[in-house]
Amino acid sequence: EVQLVQSGAEVKKPGESLRISCETSGYSFTSYWIGWVRQMPGKGLEWMGIIWPDDSDTRYNPSFQGQVTISADKSISTTYLQWSSLKASDTAMYYCARKYGDLGEVYGLDVWGQGTTVTVSS
Amino acid sequence: DIQMTQSPSSLSASVGDRVTITCRASQSISRFLNWYQQKPGEAPNLLIYGASSLQSGVPSRFTGSASGTDFTLTISSLQPEDFATYYCQQTYSALWTFGQGTKVEIK
Repeated sequence: EVQLVQSGAEVKKPGESLRISCETSGYSFTSYWIGWVRQMPGKGLEWMGIIWPDDSDTRYNPSFQGQVTISADKSISTTYLQWSSLKASDTAMYYCARKYGDLGEVYGLDVWGQGTTVTVSS
Repeated sequence: DIQMTQSPSSLSASVGDRVTITCRASQSISRFLNWYQQKPGEAPNLLIYGASSLQSGVPSRFTGSASGTDFTLTISSLQPEDFATYYCQQTYSALWTFGQGTKVEIK
């Protein structure tokens, strides 16, 4: 069974750093893109970026470029989303999701993690 | 950026109703259009990819269609488990974008 299991909820203060994880299993980790999606409280979905774990080729939404870093560790089939200095406006649910097929193909995000809640408050 | 505009933003319907949700792209996106369902407290779930292809395991009452830059998600006979928020998403451009969502509520 294909699974994406995300790390647990986080409560942080503004200015702190954070890395959340998305551990995958049940498929070839290096053969699918993994994306990250933000959902702020009561709001819609925002695509943040996507990574090809085999060579860590990463594409960012310009709105998030420089604000977060997406990375991958092939040895443990895990991708990460990290912040160096959190802001209150980073408070949201964050999802990882697998993209079936290549970026130039029509397939969507077919398997999702359960989400990680990040709360940033002083 | 390609803007995806969904309509309506919400609707009320009864079990058994036929429901149609529309998503309009601000420019051509070929068939790079996906539909997701999200229930409260849950992650989104892929329903339709490539504008009209049904994702494996999704009930056949969900169908997608396309006409130019207009895309439609139809639920042929609304079931109790279909009350949720639905999002379209384009993956045509390097910057993927979602529609703002359509909340389907019980009448």
